[in-house]
Amino acid sequence: GENVEQHPSTLSVQEGDSAVIKCTYSDSASNYFPWYKQELGKGPQLIIDIRSNVGEKKDQRIAVTLNKTAKHFSLHITETQPEDSAVYFCLSGGYQKVTFGTGTKLQVIP
Amino acid sequence: DAGVIQSPRHEVTEMGQEVTLRCKPISGHNSLFWYRQTMMRGLELLIYFNNNVPIDDSGMPEDRFSAKMPNASFSTLKIQPSEPRDSAVYFCASSLMGPANEQYFGPGTRLTVT
Repeated sequence: GENVEQHPSTLSVQEGDSAVIKCTYSDSASNYFPWYKQELGKGPQLIIDIRSNVGEKKDQRIAVTLNKTAKHFSLHITETQPEDSAVYFCLSGGYQKVTFGTGTKLQVIP
Repeated sequence: DAGVIQSPRHEVTEMGQEVTLRCKPISGHNSLFWYRQTMMRGLELLIYFNNNVPIDDSGMPEDRFSAKMPNASFSTLKIQPSEPRDSAVYFCASSLMGPANEQYFGPGTRLTVT
């Protein structure tokens, strides 16, 4: 199956700073790259996604960048807030397949 | 819409017993996914259905696990016999069409096998 590596596994930032999480995938046929946020005791929830024909997408404080040549994509959160504290998962998806990354626990320190 | 519904929310059972987890996807969604989440292995896709047909079951750990989707509004994941290593949170998710679209997750079922 596909290998999706996610780094870092844990990340602590001061409130107001930026956070960056990176994923590297192996299947060149993948064409869908979402990011999910999972709060304690809940299921993951989509926060932003990008498809392979787009290099960058932004939604307020959240952005995702994609480098298909290098097979990696990143989540950028600016002006972090305590409510951003959660576990974040990337996903590499395509026709009839999906693989989640290993997760990043983000802690925003007030 | 109520979102994806899973039952039970918590299940505690003894080793060797049969366990059945249930899921109701969002109405109109054609794809349904079953995941298992543990600290050691993270979020693993077990199986997914498209239009009630199993498409990829390569993640099902072994023959003790089985999943069915008899109609568009109901799916089950069964473990028989259960073992302590099956203890995990099991999530069901649904999407409009396939894995390359937003998946909506249910609240999960926390399974403990003693």
